[in-house]
Amino acid sequence: GAVVSQHPSWVICKSGTSVKIECRSLDFQATTMFWYRQFPKQSLMLMATSNEGSKATYEQGVEKDKFLINHASLTLSTLTVTSAHPEDSSFYICSAPSASGRGRAGELFFGEGSRLTVL
Amino acid sequence: KQEVTQIPAALSVPEGENLVLNCSFTDSAIYNLQWFRQDPGKGLTSLLLIQSSQREQTSGRLNASLDKSSGRSTLYIAASQPGDSATYLCAVSGGYQKVTFGTGTKLQVIP
Repeated sequence: GAVVSQHPSWVICKSGTSVKIECRSLDFQATTMFWYRQFPKQSLMLMATSNEGSKATYEQGVEKDKFLINHASLTLSTLTVTSAHPEDSSFYICSAPSASGRGRAGELFFGEGSRLTVL
Repeated sequence: KQEVTQIPAALSVPEGENLVLNCSFTDSAIYNLQWFRQDPGKGLTSLLLIQSSQREQTSGRLNASLDKSSGRSTLYIAASQPGDSATYLCAVSGGYQKVTFGTGTKLQVIP
């Protein structure tokens, strides 16, 4: 069964609104989670690393004020797309690395993804 | 900077065929390599994980090999089935859980 849950699976919003996507690790703690973005017919690109209890680390070219990441607990990270615009429309996927007793060393578990469409 | 390439980009085969998907990476200093499957509009499902010290991993009809020195990995699928149709991604971890994904191979298995 799934070990990482992502919600919502899809969302449609008007331009200018903010959208929050949740990523939860199920039955294991994740001090680190990763957020990826995938454009149509392209591979995944790492946006940021979410760290529990501290600031997220953003990849070059990713606007931290546009994509707010909060990792307030050991099982939950959220990505908020602020003042969304049509160019933010994409497929967003989170992942969490294996933890003690869950998965193999270095294994990454992925959520189901969230498709954002900004009108 | 690690670059990961997958060949072919797309593949169409009749049901029952054995097939090989290729993944190459430029920096051989990797921690592990993982193969994933992605169905349209869905997240990623982990298929096989090969640690840098390993040469291959097997799971059912799937076999993945790793040649670190040459920067290559292959995913072998035996007796392909229509349900195997999906996009297959390889991902290379270079430590600190920093993962670089390949470009993907879209597989279609024709009944």
